[in-house]
Amino acid sequence: KNEVEQSPQNLTAQEGEFITINCSYSVGISALHWLQQHPGGGIVSLFMLSSGKKKHGRLIATINIQEKHSSLHITASHPRDSAVYICAVPLVDKLIFGTGTLLAVQP
Amino acid sequence: EAGVTQSPTHLIKTRGQQATLRCSPISGHTSVYWYQQALGLGLQFLLWYDEGEERNRGNFPPRFSGRQFPNYSSELNVNALELEDSALYLCASSLQRANYGYTFGSGTRLTVV
Repeated sequence: KNEVEQSPQNLTAQEGEFITINCSYSVGISALHWLQQHPGGGIVSLFMLSSGKKKHGRLIATINIQEKHSSLHITASHPRDSAVYICAVPLVDKLIFGTGTLLAVQP
Repeated sequence: EAGVTQSPTHLIKTRGQQATLRCSPISGHTSVYWYQQALGLGLQFLLWYDEGEERNRGNFPPRFSGRQFPNYSSELNVNALELEDSALYLCASSLQRANYGYTFGSGTRLTVV
């Protein structure tokens, strides 16, 4: 079992839909990262959060430390949101990455 | 404030050659991490440098090595390139350890032909 699990692995949505991506982890953490990677592109850090909720534009990230679970929400999804979304958990000396969620938003 | 910068953006090398990838961390960050993302695979931890020292390395052969300079920038060297070394190499920096202010570069895409 992976230390960081994401679901779903693949997600197809229609433009305008509300999207949720989930991340569960088994290792103890002080913060969790959400990252975005467009096809063939580099990685962009979306959020780092250690408690509660953060919002940036149409993106919302929540974390429940007790349940070791985080969610990334996208409101009013748009085709430009199509990308791989990755959660990552920091250990002392490295990040442990989830396997990613491939999101395709169709117009 | 400048982010983590990596160079080159793309690199094409022939099998057996050596590749050198560079990373400049955010000002004030002393830790630099290298990750590999091979095609179809997730990100794998390669190396961690802090204060000029190699602190940890992932499960990669000794062909993968690097160093960190006094200004905290870092080089990743891959010797005797193999086709399967083709990947996106990602650098990230943080204040001390991965728990703090982890910032990513945009990566170097290495293609071995």
